[in-house]
Amino acid sequence: NAGVTQTPKFRVLKTGQSMTLLCAQDMNHEYMYWYRQDPGMGLRLIHYSVGEGTTAKGEVPDGYNVSRLKKQNFLLGLESAAPSQTSVYFCASSPLAGGQETQYFGPGTRLLVL
Amino acid sequence: GESVGLHLPTLSVQEGDNSIINCAYSNSASDYFIWYKQESGKGPQFIIDIRSNMDKRQGQRVTVLLNKTVKHLSLQIAATQPGDSAVYFCAESSFNKFYFGSGTKLNVKP
Repeated sequence: NAGVTQTPKFRVLKTGQSMTLLCAQDMNHEYMYWYRQDPGMGLRLIHYSVGEGTTAKGEVPDGYNVSRLKKQNFLLGLESAAPSQTSVYFCASSPLAGGQETQYFGPGTRLLVL
Repeated sequence: GESVGLHLPTLSVQEGDNSIINCAYSNSASDYFIWYKQESGKGPQFIIDIRSNMDKRQGQRVTVLLNKTVKHLSLQIAATQPGDSAVYFCAESSFNKFYFGSGTKLNVKP
């Protein structure tokens, strides 16, 4: 049982390039989330999904897109990377409605946009 | 102490002492609260949680206290060890959304 895994661990992009971050969970959780973490700030929700085939916007969705084609995977895409998207990205999953069950986090993806 | 949305404070304690990390939350509708530990270069790790119908919950060496009157949450770590050094942050949940504090850095001095 690997829990929540993220790929890649680290990536450097040039402004304007695109990439996809992959999150996978093997706990059969319904809910999945993408957050970004910046120095001195708490985790901020980018997008989330309440089940396969569904996605919804979080607090800071601009510049990102997501897809949940399979229950175990949640993809975060950057179509045209900007330096402001330099951050550490965390994926999380939760078995139930997020209000009554903790989230389980992946190890993070460090993204540097030059 | 920490508050959802503020910069990162630091707490230094001697090994073996008890640590108390505080968190203020702003949403009266929040009904579920969690404390996480985050070590450098790693993802947040669940420590303990508490629901709004409780005011205290104990785990192994950790205790969470919830004061809904003043919207305050605290994490107590007994007999702090070097391995407890990390950033600790609280999260509140309301209507299926989580809101995270920026964290408190705990330094344990040997």
